[in-house]
Amino acid sequence: AQRVTQPEKLLSVFKGAPVELKCNYSYSGSPELFWYVQYSRQRLQLLLRHISRESIKGFTADLNKGETSFHLKKPFAQEEDSAMYYCALRGFQKLVFGTGTRLLVSP
Amino acid sequence: ETGVTQTPRHLVMGMTNKKSLKCEQHLGHNAMYWYKQSAKKPLELMFVYNFKEQTENNSVPSRFSPECPNSSHLFLHLHTLQPEDSALYLCASSQVQAAGSGSYEQYFGPGTRLTVT
Repeated sequence: AQRVTQPEKLLSVFKGAPVELKCNYSYSGSPELFWYVQYSRQRLQLLLRHISRESIKGFTADLNKGETSFHLKKPFAQEEDSAMYYCALRGFQKLVFGTGTRLLVSP
Repeated sequence: ETGVTQTPRHLVMGMTNKKSLKCEQHLGHNAMYWYKQSAKKPLELMFVYNFKEQTENNSVPSRFSPECPNSSHLFLHLHTLQPEDSALYLCASSQVQAAGSGSYEQYFGPGTRLTVT
């Protein structure tokens, strides 16, 4: 079965602190994973995908097949990073989303 | 208008009303999706249309009826809804391959905020 688990509903940090949003997946094939972000009053949008191996807005995510994880990391959080973050796994002709983690960055 | 648009942006309806949500994508994609976003379940996939054919119905009650007349338009017809159906309804589109491959990056609309009274 295809499943994405985000264990934390809420992650609260101070500005400048490191951030790690956890994502674990279950998939028998070769996984393709994404992180989506939804800022307040904005639409859900793609943040990054593992196949691009890119850093967007200071965020990176590495696929760890041994641990079946795709955690999202940023070394120094900013207040504007406060948002809802969803991890997603490519299924057959659709994406399977996790339940999301709300990140709150306080000044 | 570019990207994915949804109308109306806000809708208040009684439990006996019939209304429709509209989604239009201007990206040339061939797959469209309806999601429900609420406080209890942040993102629930409801329906999937690939090449205008419904390929997934995620155990959605029959009071929600989707329609996909062409690859650019998707509707969600609503009737005899319940207060617990109040939520943000999101539409998305993506480009998929017939064999099931493709990047599947989804582009989302702004959503319709539905309140059932």
